[in-house]
Amino acid sequence: AQRVTQPEKLLSVFKGAPVELKCNYSYSGSPELFWYVQYSRQRLQLLLRHISRESIKGFTADLNKGETSFHLKKPFAQEEDSAMYYCALSPLISSGSARQLTFGSGTQLTVLP
Amino acid sequence: GAGVSQSPRYKVAKRGQDVALRCDPISGHVSLFWYQQALGQGPEFLTYFQNEAQLDKSGLPSDRFFAERPEGSVSTLKIQRTQQEDSAVYLCASSSYRNVPRGYGYTFGSGTRLTVV
Repeated sequence: AQRVTQPEKLLSVFKGAPVELKCNYSYSGSPELFWYVQYSRQRLQLLLRHISRESIKGFTADLNKGETSFHLKKPFAQEEDSAMYYCALSPLISSGSARQLTFGSGTQLTVLP
Repeated sequence: GAGVSQSPRYKVAKRGQDVALRCDPISGHVSLFWYQQALGQGPEFLTYFQNEAQLDKSGLPSDRFFAERPEGSVSTLKIQRTQQEDSAVYLCASSSYRNVPRGYGYTFGSGTRLTVV
């Protein structure tokens, strides 16, 4: 069984401050980790994925297999970053096939002016 | 269409009523998922289709839940004899891939918010 834990339901930071949204997972195999974001009144959308090691909108996330974590970080938060953030896990199956996502319960980030 | 379309956006049902929720995936998308998102929770997997074949329905919470995709495009999630615990946002997601490549994130619809009173 797989599980994703986001310990903070709510997180508030001031504009320009660093922000870190925590995500821990449990999974016996090799996982793929994602961060999804949902802005107010918009649909759920992919923010970034661990495999591409990319930075999107200034956000980065590093997969730490030893700590089974995939924390989302941004050095200088902006007001437009205010949104609900979900960490998600998908099993990596070498043979392919569609793979369902297991989501955490989300963290509501508010960036204060 | 430009994205995954779901209808209705909002549905209020009396307890015991049957409901049908519709998902129009992006044209040509092979894979289609349904997720249920209860208030304050992340989405939870319900079922998965590859074209018209329902390959995984392990997440359906009870036999009151039924999903179909008869022609491999539009999908309908039906809930019979709705209960208050069925109140949630129902999300549909689709993908053009049959075998999903690493790192792929699905395209989600805006969801249908179901309230059972």
